Amino acid sequence: EDQVTQSPEALRLQEGESSSLNCSYTVSGLRGLFWYRQDPGKGPEFLFTLYSAGEEKEKERLKATLTKKESFLHITAPKPEDSATYLCAGGLFSGGYNKLIFGAGTRLAVHP
Amino acid sequence: DSGVTQTPKHLITATGQRVTLRCSPRSGDLSVYWYQQSLDQGLQFLIQYYNGEERAKGNILERFSAQQFPDLHSELNLSSLELGDSALYFCASSAGLAGGPGYEQYFGPGTRLTVT
Repeated sequence: EDQVTQSPEALRLQEGESSSLNCSYTVSGLRGLFWYRQDPGKGPEFLFTLYSAGEEKEKERLKATLTKKESFLHITAPKPEDSATYLCAGGLFSGGYNKLIFGAGTRLAVHP
Repeated sequence: DSGVTQTPKHLITATGQRVTLRCSPRSGDLSVYWYQQSLDQGLQFLIQYYNGEERAKGNILERFSAQQFPDLHSELNLSSLELGDSALYFCASSAGLAGGPGYEQYFGPGTRLTVT
């Protein structure tokens, strides 16, 4: 069964304390690993797409990496405004459409 | 701002009622997706339309239905509402149908439905 699992469920960091969020996947025929940021009560905001193992993408304090079994979202020197839920999703093409399987998310809280 | 718009932002209604949620995709996007997000569950895929045609169904109840119009906007209809239908409903759009650039889904701000 296609599945995406994120860990930890919640993470509390001090401002400036770097860390990583994990997204492990078992998706047959993965066609992209997607990261989103979601603020409370708002729609997920697209961050990155990774297509192949070894690929890395960066945006400000965030860097996403991909291996054959998992993806990491590294947060360097986080600030309070980085507090949000981070969602990852595995993409696959099934039955004629592109489908996203979302993980449950990691709730990140960055304290000053 | 993702470019995807949804109306209304909030909706409060009683059990047994019917409501319609509306979504306009990003300019040029042909695919529209509907998701439900409740407190105890993550994002649950409901249904997808591509250029006016239904392409995929997820965990969508029979009381729910959707359509995509020629101008590509989409509506999600929820009927015989129950307390458990209270949730955030998101619409997303993408340019492509499968693979490569355009595969990314961009989400709207959502409609918060409260059933009392």
